[in-house]
Amino acid sequence: DQQVKQNSPSLSVQEGRISILNCDYTNSMFDYFLWYKKYPAEGPTFLISISSIKDKNEDGRFTVFLNKSAKHLSLHIVPSQPGDSAVYFCAASAFNQFYFGTGTSLTVIP
Amino acid sequence: DAGVTQSPTHLIKTRGQQVTLRCSPKSGHDTVSWYQQALGQGPQFIFQYYEEEERQRGNFPDRFSGHQFPNYSSELNVNALLLGDSALYLCASTPYGARVGVEQFFGPGTRLTVL
Repeated sequence: DQQVKQNSPSLSVQEGRISILNCDYTNSMFDYFLWYKKYPAEGPTFLISISSIKDKNEDGRFTVFLNKSAKHLSLHIVPSQPGDSAVYFCAASAFNQFYFGTGTSLTVIP
Repeated sequence: DAGVTQSPTHLIKTRGQQVTLRCSPKSGHDTVSWYQQALGQGPQFIFQYYEEEERQRGNFPDRFSGHQFPNYSSELNVNALLLGDSALYLCASTPYGARVGVEQFFGPGTRLTVL
């Protein structure tokens, strides 16, 4: 039972443009949402998070939007850079347990 | 300051065998979580250890067991290996009581192949 879904396995974006990665969830008990970035041969690294009581959180080029009524969150990267090319995992937390999506592979084309 | 380290990097076993994976947490971290990441999937939570006890467990059978030592390092043991156990096993460490997920640091993982 996949409680966190990332329906786009891959995304290609031109350098300088906006990258939008999407994530849907089913469990209304999730109270915290996170995005992780993963390079090959490395573990996931924390990127940005948002509490369920907020609808937007911004950190530099990265912004996460949460739409609780739609059970949807998205990660915006502006402007996209070649170094952003990686696999991005959406994760949701309930009772300090984490549930990850299947990941979206982002390629930023120079 | 070393981050989370895991050993071995790669491992090949046959069905029915047993395997032990090891994890050393980041300095200052006392909580260790284990995840299984099958090919094309996201990490799935196996269990979490704190104060040498299993505190939380995901939906994994009893064949998966663990241990935490007084120095906070941890082992993941899998008995009676199945082909479906082939995956990347990730260890993550956290200071106890840290903000959910934000201070969770992952190791590079151990790639287990079961033949």
